[in-house]
Amino acid sequence: KAGVTQTPRYLIKTRGQQVTLSCSPISGHRSVSWYQQTPGQGLQFLFEYFSETQRNKGNFPGRFSGRQFSNSRSEMNVSTLELGDSALYLCASSLGQDNSPLHFGNGTRLTVT
Amino acid sequence: TQLLEQSPQFLSIQEGENLTVYCNSSSVFSSLQWYRQEPGEGPVLLVTVVTGGEVKKLKRLTFQFGDARKDSSLHITAAQPGDTGLYLCAGAYGSARQLTFGSGTQLTVLP
Repeated sequence: KAGVTQTPRYLIKTRGQQVTLSCSPISGHRSVSWYQQTPGQGLQFLFEYFSETQRNKGNFPGRFSGRQFSNSRSEMNVSTLELGDSALYLCASSLGQDNSPLHFGNGTRLTVT
Repeated sequence: TQLLEQSPQFLSIQEGENLTVYCNSSSVFSSLQWYRQEPGEGPVLLVTVVTGGEVKKLKRLTFQFGDARKDSSLHITAAQPGDTGLYLCAGAYGSARQLTFGSGTQLTVLP
């Protein structure tokens, strides 16, 4: 069974630009969650999508947005990039029920210069 | 905002030693998970604990959930170099499907 796939693995962007990250969940998983990981703040929850609807949202500014498609694939978009957005962005898929285990991808490493 | 404290932040030990990592919160968890992350990879789930007082064992790893469901510990017996990695606890509060992660414990086991 294929795992969670995130593309691209690495990205370098300039301040003020926007970026789109992609996540393909495990087949049959309908929930996709996004997390930001930085050395200073650790892993922080961004949002969760289930059946194309945002079901939970963390405390990030509106520059961070996402969507989910009918095949459960998800994209995350960050607009007007800031230096502080440099991080590892992790996507995790699950069946979507309470306590369903999360299966993480290997992340997209975003560097903003 | 719930806060989840994990300690120690760094741990360097010799092969064969035992160690314990702690995870504490001022709020009650509905469940708690432990993950291990290696460089360049995403976290991998080790265990989920749900019931207060629950103890789960995974080979040389023992996970305990506090009776009040506000704390948890991970104990590794006879650590091996292959145990090296970042250990993360993550708690769910209420029925939320979003996890609050601890800051992690970077474990290095020296041969």
